[in-house]
Amino acid sequence: KQEVTQIPAALSVPEGENLVLNCSFTDSAIYNLQWFRQDPGKGLTSLLLIQSSQREQTSGRLNASLDKSSGRSTLYIAASQPGDSATYLCAVSLDKVSTQGGSEKLVFGKGMKLTVNP
Amino acid sequence: NAGVTQTPKFQVLKTGQSMTLQCAQDMNHEYMSWYRQDPGMGLRLIHYSVGAGITDQGEVPNGYNVSRSTTEDFPLRLLSAAPSQTSVYFCASSYRAPGIVAKNIQYFGAGTRLSVL
Repeated sequence: KQEVTQIPAALSVPEGENLVLNCSFTDSAIYNLQWFRQDPGKGLTSLLLIQSSQREQTSGRLNASLDKSSGRSTLYIAASQPGDSATYLCAVSLDKVSTQGGSEKLVFGKGMKLTVNP
Repeated sequence: NAGVTQTPKFQVLKTGQSMTLQCAQDMNHEYMSWYRQDPGMGLRLIHYSVGAGITDQGEVPNGYNVSRSTTEDFPLRLLSAAPSQTSVYFCASSYRAPGIVAKNIQYFGAGTRLSVL
């Protein structure tokens, strides 16, 4: 059974720091990996998606890398801001549905609550 | 373009009552899914659908029914609510597009917060 782990569960940092958020998964047979952001009382917003054949994706101050063989992904946030405060979740899509061509079955980590202090 | 719309936003039920959580998307996505989010458990998949008329079970399907009669709608039914179903429920949707990164992104609704007393 695929398990996704995010450690630590919470992180508090001063504004301006460069951050690395970690995600590990037990089964390397994944189709893709997504990083999401969740604000309190809100739904999830997809930040970056990395296909299993890719090594990294970038969007603005965010960079996500994937090492499928070791079962790890990192989300790098450059020059953190108070507006980055949220819970960040990592989710993998199971490869056994890859013939369907989608990511409708996601296994999530429990998330990491980030607080960036001004 | 409203994205994924969930109704209601909040609901309180008594044990044994039934209700339907509504989910609609206007992006012509083939895939739709239901997740529940519980403290300390993260998000877990309840049911999913790969297209109209096709549904399948996820990790925690017991106590829930779904159907997909149209591409746009994917309602989740609680037949006899139990306190263990107190949770926040999220609906998600995405395209079916092999190998096209941008079309595999999942879009989530704002959630339905359900309390069963």
